[in-house]
Amino acid sequence: AQTVTQSQPEMSVQEAETVTLSCTYDTSENNYYLFWYKQPPSRQMILVIRQEAYKQQNATENRFSVNFQKAAKSFSLKISDSQLGDTAMYFCAFMANNAGNMLTFGGGTRLMVKP
Amino acid sequence: DAGVIQSPRHEVTEMGQEVTLRCKPISGHNSLFWYRQTMMRGLELLIYFNNNVPIDDSGMPEDRFSAKMPNASFSTLKIQPSEPRDSAVYFCASSFSGPSYNEQFFGPGTRLTVL
Repeated sequence: AQTVTQSQPEMSVQEAETVTLSCTYDTSENNYYLFWYKQPPSRQMILVIRQEAYKQQNATENRFSVNFQKAAKSFSLKISDSQLGDTAMYFCAFMANNAGNMLTFGGGTRLMVKP
Repeated sequence: DAGVIQSPRHEVTEMGQEVTLRCKPISGHNSLFWYRQTMMRGLELLIYFNNNVPIDDSGMPEDRFSAKMPNASFSTLKIQPSEPRDSAVYFCASSFSGPSYNEQFFGPGTRLTVL
């Protein structure tokens, strides 16, 4: 079984600054995907970024980037130039390649972007 | 594309009543997932269907919960009898499950309150 841990229940950042959200996971699988999802107050789950475990290069999507450390089983999310609209819950999630697209989520980090 | 559709968006009921949550996946998707989100337990996978067949229901909390997928375009999650501890947001998600990764799309969720 896989576990995903987010050790920061809440974080805050000033608008336009950079913030990093932490995530660690535990698995015996070698082929898997990692994700960050955003859940704004509307509660809609929005995929922010995806990382394939076999890729060494860290994924990047505009202001969002990850630091994937496979040996350490660490997968942090960096948000650059934070915007007020980034205020949301952020969930780290794991999917084994042979698990039929089933996601295992971390407990979430509530991010507040302050003006 | 309308995305994943869930109904109702909000449900308030009394303890002991039967509750039925409904989900219409995205057309063409062959995998459907029911998740429950609570403050205490975060996001949990309840059950997963592939090609209308339940594949993994290990997350279903107890016999009071049941899920069906009579066809590719409709699924229900039923709680009978409901209890106050069932109060949560229930998400339905769908994806196309194939040999490679395909994104899982979430519905807007149903907020259930059991009094």
